[in-house]
Amino acid sequence: GQQLNQSPQSMFIQEGEDVSMNCTSSSIFNTWLWYKQDPGEGPVLLIALYKAGELTSNGRLTAQFGITRKDSFLNISASIPSDVGIYFCAGHYAARQLTFGSGTQLTVLP
Amino acid sequence: EPEVTQTPSHQVTQMGQEVILRCVPISNHLYFYWYRQILGQKVEFLVSFYNNEISEKSEIFDDQFSVERPDGSNFTLKIRSTKLEDSAMYFCASSSAGNREKLFFGSGTQLSVL
Repeated sequence: GQQLNQSPQSMFIQEGEDVSMNCTSSSIFNTWLWYKQDPGEGPVLLIALYKAGELTSNGRLTAQFGITRKDSFLNISASIPSDVGIYFCAGHYAARQLTFGSGTQLTVLP
Repeated sequence: EPEVTQTPSHQVTQMGQEVILRCVPISNHLYFYWYRQILGQKVEFLVSFYNNEISEKSEIFDDQFSVERPDGSNFTLKIRSTKLEDSAMYFCASSSAGNREKLFFGSGTQLSVL
């Protein structure tokens, strides 16, 4: 199957700092989605991207669909304690099933 | 806000036993999915279901697994004879006809096989 390389694997930041994480693939993806997962819960959809170059915001979150369609990034501005969790990128390749990245564990320090 | 609901939240079973995991997708959604997540790992695709048949399945979804939509609201995953390595969090998801790519996930069933 298609692989999504997500980085960084984990991040420790101070409350109020901005965060950036990204996903890359060797193959072209048709859609990119970003999910957040809290412990013991299912992934919650944050942002969906459908077109190359698309830049979409959801509150303090901003995500972009790379021009090459092989990458995407997620930025979180002015982090707060409730931003703690695992962030997953996911994408659809050739109209097939949603493939997930390996996740970025975000820790926000007070 | 509509959500995907899953029951039970936790299931403990003996190796070799059959388990059925239940899901109620969002009511107007037409595409249904099962994913699983082994502890500390990424979310992995198992199967997708549309129009009362499997549309795609992964290598994980072998003959021990089956899915069913027994009525207009439920979507189930059956594992016929559980193995230790089936222990994982199982997530149901659904998406609408108008926005098939946007999957909404339930809170999961934690399956522990002893």
